[in-house]
Amino acid sequence: EDQVTQSPEALRLQEGESSSLNCSYTVSGLRGLFWYRQDPGKGPEFLFTLYSAGEEKEKERLKATLTKKESFLHITAPKPEDSATYLCAGISGGSYIPTFGRGTSLIVHP
Amino acid sequence: DAGITQSPRYKITETGRQVTLMCHQTWSHSYMFWYRQDLGHGLRLIYYSAAADITDKGEVPDGYVVSRSKTENFPLTLESATRSQTSVYFCASSPGERGGKTQYFGPGTRLTVL
Repeated sequence: EDQVTQSPEALRLQEGESSSLNCSYTVSGLRGLFWYRQDPGKGPEFLFTLYSAGEEKEKERLKATLTKKESFLHITAPKPEDSATYLCAGISGGSYIPTFGRGTSLIVHP
Repeated sequence: DAGITQSPRYKITETGRQVTLMCHQTWSHSYMFWYRQDLGHGLRLIYYSAAADITDKGEVPDGYVVSRSKTENFPLTLESATRSQTSVYFCASSPGERGGKTQYFGPGTRLTVL
């Protein structure tokens, strides 16, 4: 059974304090690892798709990386507006249904 | 507007009533999905559809019915609402075979069953 586990469940940072969120997965024949941002009262917003180990993608203060067992979402010098829940999901080769983790709730204090 | 929309955004109903949540996408994506999101459970798949007239059950389908007569619409019906169906419901779509597997989500419907 495919599984995606995110850690920590919650993270509090001071503005400017860089950190990383972890997404470990056991997805057979991984064909995509997705990161989403979800603000309170809104739907998940797509951030990145990673396809193979070693791949990296960046957007503003966020950088997503992928290894054979896990993905990291690095947040460099975060700002309060980066506060949100970050979800990751993995999808296997033969499926169009991703397996979602439960998310990491990030709060960045000014 | 282009994208994926859901209606209503908020709904309060009573136990036993039938409720239909609407989802509409303008991208002509092949795949559409319904999820519910609850504290402690994350996103759970209710039903999905690979194309018009093709639907299949997800993780938590009991008490729900879907249809997809047109590519752009994917309504979710609660035939006889129960309090346990109080939740936030998200519709999503993804392009399919040639367009990739990334899902794009609607803004959600917050449903309260009294």
